[in-house]
Amino acid sequence: KAGVTQTPRYLIKTRGQQVTLSCSPISGHRSVSWYQQTPGQGLQFLFEYFSETQRNKGNFPGRFSGRQFSNSRSEMNVSTLELGDSALYLCASSLEQGARADTQYFGPGTRLTVL
Amino acid sequence: AQKVTQAQTEISVVEKEDVTLDCVYETRDTTYYLFWYKQPPSGELVFLIRRNSFDEQNEISGRYSWNFQKSTSSFNFTITASQVVDSAVYFCALSDSGYTGRRALTFGSGTRLQVQP
Repeated sequence: KAGVTQTPRYLIKTRGQQVTLSCSPISGHRSVSWYQQTPGQGLQFLFEYFSETQRNKGNFPGRFSGRQFSNSRSEMNVSTLELGDSALYLCASSLEQGARADTQYFGPGTRLTVL
Repeated sequence: AQKVTQAQTEISVVEKEDVTLDCVYETRDTTYYLFWYKQPPSGELVFLIRRNSFDEQNEISGRYSWNFQKSTSSFNFTITASQVVDSAVYFCALSDSGYTGRRALTFGSGTRLQVQP
């Protein structure tokens, strides 16, 4: 079974631009979560989507948004990019068949550089 | 609020040595889940182990073993007979029960393990 895939793997943008990152979960997985990893703040939760609905959101400004499609694929968007948005953005998927939390499996990440 | 502390920033060992990575967590939940992930230089977080709060049995899986103690809120991870390929950053993470819909992982700051040949 293929793992979580993320595209693109690398991105370079300038301040003020917007960016869209894509994530395809493991086949059959229904939940997709996004995390930001920076040297200063470490790994931080952005948001989680399940059945095309945002189920949980971390403490990030409204410039960060996302969505999930009917096939469970997810995108996240960052508008009005700032230098501090430079980070590795990781997507994770989990099965979520029951009520209890399932293990999250991560993709290779998208490394975003904002100049 | 949940919190995960990994006090060891970096550990360097020589191949074949055993190494233990420490993790201390804080949570008000009575049901929760603990994880260890490995992040090699490629950047992908690789799932290693998971432990449920209601199961304190410690296990061994190959060269990996873990020691979960609720009394001290610790979830330590041991690699036996370390190998150069074990060099990576290791993260301990905590998730709540999920019943309230909150499944976000709270990560520690990571421990960089360097295994010298």
